[in-house]
Amino acid sequence: GAVVSQHPSWVICKSGTSVKIECRSLDFQATTMFWYRQFPKQSLMLMATSNEGSKATYEQGVEKDKFLINHASLTLSTLTVTSAHPEDSSFYICSADRQDYGYTFGSGTRLTVV
Amino acid sequence: QKEVEQDPGPLSVPEGAIVSLNCTYSNSAFQYFMWYRQYSRKGPELLMYTYSSGNKEDGRFTAQVDKSSKYISLFIRDSQPSDSATYLCAIKPGAGSYQLTFGKGTKLSVIP
Repeated sequence: GAVVSQHPSWVICKSGTSVKIECRSLDFQATTMFWYRQFPKQSLMLMATSNEGSKATYEQGVEKDKFLINHASLTLSTLTVTSAHPEDSSFYICSADRQDYGYTFGSGTRLTVV
Repeated sequence: QKEVEQDPGPLSVPEGAIVSLNCTYSNSAFQYFMWYRQYSRKGPELLMYTYSSGNKEDGRFTAQVDKSSKYISLFIRDSQPSDSATYLCAIKPGAGSYQLTFGKGTKLSVIP
């Protein structure tokens, strides 16, 4: 089955620093990957759609300069939270669409900004 | 009316019970239906993926889709404490569309 690997699983950073989260498709090529944010006891909120070789498409209200997305290859997309602040603390999850398997999600990254 | 409605629960059942989880949707353009299980502090795990009306079975799990009623269900037979998690339904329009719409999730507890 389709596997999506996400790293790190958790990270603590100081306010004002940047954090990079990686999302890799291990056994398939993903032209498109998706980044979600999830607050406690809430469902997933789509932040942006990452397209290989082109700019990401951001959902309304998501700051593209704060959440930098790079999709440099068919198996890797990265999300960089720039100048992180405590309000950016959340659970970030990536996913990819494997046509025959539906959407496969990574294990998520818990970001805590102190 | 929201595009996807899902009762958030919580739902508590004894071990061995049959669990029924449901979602309704409003847009007849939705064609692909998924059920995910999410444990606390983990990413969602795909359980079932279907695109046609009727039933699809995989082990203890059965996904049911009724497009005429815009109603989807997930049944869990012989429920186990390890099934305790939040279950999310997710739907999307045609194969070429990437827009995935989630239900809010139903929190299930299976009591030993």
